[in-house]
Amino acid sequence: DVKVTQSSRYLVKRTGEKVFLECVQDMDHENMFWYRQDPGLGLRLIYFSYDVKMKEKGDIPEGYSVSREKKERFSLILESASTNQTSMYLCASSLAVNTEAFFGQGTRLTVV
Amino acid sequence: EDQVTQSPEALRLQEGESSSLNCSYTVSGLRGLFWYRQDPGKGPEFLFTLYSAGEEKEKERLKATLTKKESFLHITAPKPEDSATYLCAVLPLGAGSYQLTFGKGTKLSVIP
Repeated sequence: DVKVTQSSRYLVKRTGEKVFLECVQDMDHENMFWYRQDPGLGLRLIYFSYDVKMKEKGDIPEGYSVSREKKERFSLILESASTNQTSMYLCASSLAVNTEAFFGQGTRLTVV
Repeated sequence: EDQVTQSPEALRLQEGESSSLNCSYTVSGLRGLFWYRQDPGKGPEFLFTLYSAGEEKEKERLKATLTKKESFLHITAPKPEDSATYLCAVLPLGAGSYQLTFGKGTKLSVIP
C-alpha cells in the first residue's frame, strides 16, 4: 500500500513564526502536492511538484513556499505564520498526472 | 473555469436504504474523475478513478458511474461504517494540466 506520512497531526504556532510541514511518501511517486482544507471552501491546491527541485504554484501560494530536495520528501514552509493560515494541511502523491493521488493523514495547524 | 458541484451537501440514510450521490462537472475536457472518502479529521482515502463516459467501477457496497456531465456514487444497502464525507474531483485535459478541482463533498450519515 502507498503510504504518505505527514510529520505532525497537530501543531500550534505563534503568529510570525516560520513553520515547516514535512511529508514523505514511500512509493517512488513523481508528483507531490500540498493542499489546505477549510470548511465551506473544500480542498485548495497550494503547491505541486513534479520532480525533485521542481515546483508549480497552485491556487493559493501566497504566504507559502515549498522544498523538494529528495524525491520522497516534500516540505511546505510558512514563512511568517498568520492566523488566516489556521487550517488542515494535506499532502498527497501520485505516480503520474492522470492517476489517483494518495493523501496523508493531515496536519491540523493552529496559529495563535 | 473548471467547476465541480456535489449534491446533496448532506444525506441521512437508514441502514440498508440505498441511494446515490451526484457530482456534476464543467470542464473543457476530462482526463479523469476521482472519488474519495474522508473520515473526520483524516486525509481523503482513494476510492475510484473513471476516465470515460459509460465507465463503471465497483467496490463492496459502492458503485461509481460516469457520463459526459456527471458522475454518480451509488451506495447499496449502506452500513453505519459507510458514514463519511465523499469527495469528487476532476482532472481536466490540457498540456501540463495537473491540478485537480474538488467538489465540496457530500456528508453521508447512515443511521442504525
